[in-house]
Amino acid sequence: KNEVEQSPQNLTAQEGEFITINCSYSVGISALHWLQQHPGGGIVSLFMLSSGKKKHGRLIATINIQEKHSSLHITASHPRDSAVYICAVKDDKIIFGKGTRLHILP
Amino acid sequence: NAGVTQTPKFRVLKTGQSMTLLCAQDMNHEYMYWYRQDPGMGLRLIHYSVGEGTTAKGEVPDGYNVSRLKKQNFLLGLESAAPSQTSVYFCASSYADTEAFFGQGTRLTVV
Repeated sequence: KNEVEQSPQNLTAQEGEFITINCSYSVGISALHWLQQHPGGGIVSLFMLSSGKKKHGRLIATINIQEKHSSLHITASHPRDSAVYICAVKDDKIIFGKGTRLHILP
Repeated sequence: NAGVTQTPKFRVLKTGQSMTLLCAQDMNHEYMYWYRQDPGMGLRLIHYSVGEGTTAKGEVPDGYNVSRLKKQNFLLGLESAAPSQTSVYFCASSYADTEAFFGQGTRLTVV
């Protein structure tokens, strides 16, 4: 069974700070997702990656397959980035971490 | 192109009642999933399907049944609802090697 651990569980930062959220998993996977869930509940897929690095605007996701570790970075954070960020790993099914609650203060 | 649509969005059930949640996707995805989300627990997989006519158990399958008679629909049934099944339910779909798309969620309360 794949275990997915995220850290930190909660993070509060000032607007403009560089944010890093980490995800570790225990078993080999075919892909890793980063998802965002805003208050009100909707879940949006940010990235899916199986190697290397992806960038979308101020968001960057990296994955190290050998170390079974991924990071999500947010540059120049903004209050609208406040949300729960969820890591999920995929083999034949998708298993989620418990999420990191991010709060960006203006 | 509606993506993933869940029906209903909200429901209140009495203990012992039955209901079916419908997930419909119009992206021709093979994989479909049902999750429940509870405070402090994250998203937990109930059942999933890797193709029409197939289903498999996830982490927390007890008390639920599913069916995938058509590729575009994945139904989640509660035969005899219990208060422990009060939760927010999310459906998702994907191809084998692509990102997952999520429905908007169904908030179920069992009293």
